[in-house]
Amino acid sequence: DAGVIQSPRHEVTEMGQEVTLRCKPISGHNSLFWYRQTMMRGLELLIYFNNNVPIDDSGMPEDRFSAKMPNASFSTLKIQPSEPRDSAVYFCASSSAGGGNTDTQYFGPGTRLTVL
Amino acid sequence: AQSVTQLDSQVPVFEEAPVELRCNYSSSVSVYLFWYVQYPNQGLQLLLKYLSGSTLVKGINGFEAEFNKSQTSFHLRKPSVHISDTAEYFCAVSGPYNFNKFYFGSGTKLNVKP
Repeated sequence: DAGVIQSPRHEVTEMGQEVTLRCKPISGHNSLFWYRQTMMRGLELLIYFNNNVPIDDSGMPEDRFSAKMPNASFSTLKIQPSEPRDSAVYFCASSSAGGGNTDTQYFGPGTRLTVL
Repeated sequence: AQSVTQLDSQVPVFEEAPVELRCNYSSSVSVYLFWYVQYPNQGLQLLLKYLSGSTLVKGINGFEAEFNKSQTSFHLRKPSVHISDTAEYFCAVSGPYNFNKFYFGSGTKLNVKP
């Protein structure tokens, strides 16, 4: 099993540019999560989807952030325009949970974003 | 909302010594509990989880944790650590109202010294 796949692994961009992070969940998983990890704030849940539908986006910091899941095998997290304070490691995770159940979340390797 | 407290941000320990990493959570109602490990520049990997049944849970790499409902704790232990256990450890809780949503602690950095 390939696990959760994220791309790119590293992204360096300039303030004001658009950034798109990509995630392919584990096949068969129906829940997908986007997290942000920083030294100051630790691991924060940004948004999660169940069966491709956004369920909870209360962690999305502001309107500059948006996430989509057009199908069961692909999701994107977009930041536009990017700012230096968005610099962090962004993780995608997937699980087979849903409908009131819980299950292990499997994490991808992360995308390290640096906004100059 | 659920809150998870990892009391120690850093734990230094010598190789082959025992270690305990502490985790407390806020809700006393039914929850599910997890410990994850993060090695440098990697994603989080599951160490162990408690869903139901025996309160002592055994995980990978010789780690175990004990669920204590009365103290709302889920401390992680290992009787003898190795240099390779140097990593950051995260406690996570799901529930009681939304079991699909995990609440993570702030992490404990375990530094195993030779």
